[in-house]
Amino acid sequence: EVQLVESGGGLVQPGGSLRLSCAASGFTFTNYWIHWVRQAPGEGLVWVSHINGDGSSTNYADFVKGRFTISRDNAKNTVTLQMNSLRAEDTAVYYCAKGGSYNWNPLDYWGQGTLVTVSS
Amino acid sequence: QSALTQPASVSGSPGQSITISCTGTSSDVGGYNYVSWYQHHPGKAPKLMIYDVSNRPSGVSNRFSGSKSGNTASLTISGLQAEDEADYYCSSYRSSSFYVFGTGTKVTVL
Repeated sequence: EVQLVESGGGLVQPGGSLRLSCAASGFTFTNYWIHWVRQAPGEGLVWVSHINGDGSSTNYADFVKGRFTISRDNAKNTVTLQMNSLRAEDTAVYYCAKGGSYNWNPLDYWGQGTLVTVSS
Repeated sequence: QSALTQPASVSGSPGQSITISCTGTSSDVGGYNYVSWYQHHPGKAPKLMIYDVSNRPSGVSNRFSGSKSGNTASLTISGLQAEDEADYYCSSYRSSSFYVFGTGTKVTVL
């Protein structure tokens, strides 16, 4: 059974940092892109970032470029989203999702999400 | 990075059919057959319902179908059921920014 479990969310002050993790199981981890998608309160889903199977290719939405870094540890089947210089508008539930072998493939499994709140 | 355009809400009675539209541009919906649809019950993990415009993943009811014409994709739910009440999002590959979601549609079963 495919499972994705996010962790690391919490309350952080503006300008602070937070590190989210996504633990994956039930599939051959190294074969797939992993994505982060967020949903701000009362808003829709927004794509944030993704990373390919061996970690050699990463991409970011413009609004997080230069502040967020995605990485993966294939020995531990985990993907990490390092979030720096956080702003109030980064407040959201962050989901990790499994993609396919290509970056245009759909997101076929999602985690339950972890809440990030940026507030003083 | 503008979102794809969806109606804010669509409603229908049990047993009826409803259609949700998703309008983009030639750089996303119109340019690629990589449109997906997701069902999201608040507080739960989103679920893939349709991929590559019209394909259903294993286990998804055949009451859900997808199509595309030009820059607009559509999701049709036939034989509407109470459990279909949820938020629905389209998404598409976009050459300039990789992945874009729609604005979301709240489906209400009357």
